Amino acid sequence: EAGVTQSPTHLIKTRGQQATLRCSPISGHTSVYWYQQALGLGLQFLLWYDEGEERNRGNFPPRFSGRQFPNYSSELNVNALELEDSALYLCASTPGSGGGYEQYFGPGTRLTVT
Amino acid sequence: KNQVEQSPQSLIILEGKNCTLQCNYTVSPFSNLRWYKQDTGRGPVSLTIMTFSENTKSNGRYTATLDADTKQSSLHITASQLSDSASYICVVNTGFQKLVFGTGTRLLVSP
Repeated sequence: EAGVTQSPTHLIKTRGQQATLRCSPISGHTSVYWYQQALGLGLQFLLWYDEGEERNRGNFPPRFSGRQFPNYSSELNVNALELEDSALYLCASTPGSGGGYEQYFGPGTRLTVT
Repeated sequence: KNQVEQSPQSLIILEGKNCTLQCNYTVSPFSNLRWYKQDTGRGPVSLTIMTFSENTKSNGRYTATLDADTKQSSLHITASQLSDSASYICVVNTGFQKLVFGTGTRLLVSP
């Protein structure tokens, strides 16, 4: 069974640009979560999508947005990039929206803003 | 403020030795607590998950404990192996899939 996949592996952007990160969940999983892991900090919850809808959002500005497609894949968009957006962005998926499901993480996309 | 604090920040132990990692949380409401292992440059992998009513849970050489009264959890690693070198992250689910992550303990197992 294929795991959660993310693309690209690395992304380099300049300040003010937009970044788009993509995530494909495990087959059969309907919920997708996005996290930011800045250097030296713990993972910060960004967004949760389930069945195509945004279900919950972390304490991030509106320039962090995303969507979930009918095939349950998801993309995260970061507009007006700032230097502090440089981080590892992790995507995770679960089979449903219940709180007891284990989240399976992808390998991450490392975003560098210069 | 919802927080998860882990200690120590980093730890070096000899191969074959045991170790215990600590997690204290001030998170409310509480749904469940997970321990994850994260290898460098990779996504976290779940080791254990415990609900409010569970005191201990094992996964091979990993044993997690939970004291919901004192809001403390620990992860005990028995007979450590070189492959145990990683970051161990304590995560509390407040419900509705909103997770609060600790900053992790970086473990290095030395031969």
